[in-house]
Amino acid sequence: DIQMAQSPSSLSASVGDRVTITCRASQSISSYLNWYQQKPGKAPRLLIYAASSLQSGVPSRFSGSGSETDFTLTVSSVQPEDFATYYCQQTYSTPHTFGGGTRVEIK
Amino acid sequence: QVQLQESGPGLVKPSETLSLTCTVSGGSVSSGSYYWSWIRQPPGKGLEWIGYIYYSGSTNYTPSLKSRVTISVDTSRNKFSLKLSSVTAADTAVYYCARVRVGATITLDFWGRGTLVTVSS
Repeated sequence: DIQMAQSPSSLSASVGDRVTITCRASQSISSYLNWYQQKPGKAPRLLIYAASSLQSGVPSRFSGSGSETDFTLTVSSVQPEDFATYYCQQTYSTPHTFGGGTRVEIK
Repeated sequence: QVQLQESGPGLVKPSETLSLTCTVSGGSVSSGSYYWSWIRQPPGKGLEWIGYIYYSGSTNYTPSLKSRVTISVDTSRNKFSLKLSSVTAADTAVYYCARVRVGATITLDFWGRGTLVTVSS
């Protein structure tokens, strides 16, 4: 199985801050990397697919980058509704494993 | 737009079989452009991919659950299902169904709200 390591596991930020979350794959996954946002008691929501493509309806303050083994999700100016947990997922090979998650909290 | 809804017992006894159904509306499980997936999340923990099915019945399961899991599809009722046998407390989780968009990449683009299944006697 491909292991996905996210860092940090949690972070605190103020509204308006730039937030960066990283995801590292245990082997090359090309650009088969997705990012999801999950709020408490809710299902995950697709934000970014293919490492850097913005899902329809997702604000442009979210962006993704990277390829092969190292990936980044950036929120350019975090808003109150962005405080949530974020997960990366590789779909290069099955099982389509998720990272452990990054919880973004209000400072 | 497509909507997915999980249904099934919220409480299952240890050693028994967990059975859930995902009803799809606003789209067809027979569409060749999508697969249909199950994912679970133990309370307070991260997401675990269980597997997926294509309308033809072709499946792919995570190795850690492969001996106990069956995903099936009912194209006439526009539903797909999950069965997990010999459950233990470790199988207690919120179970989500989701649509898998395939093409140049593979993504879980629409999710159900999830259903909590507790394994307890």
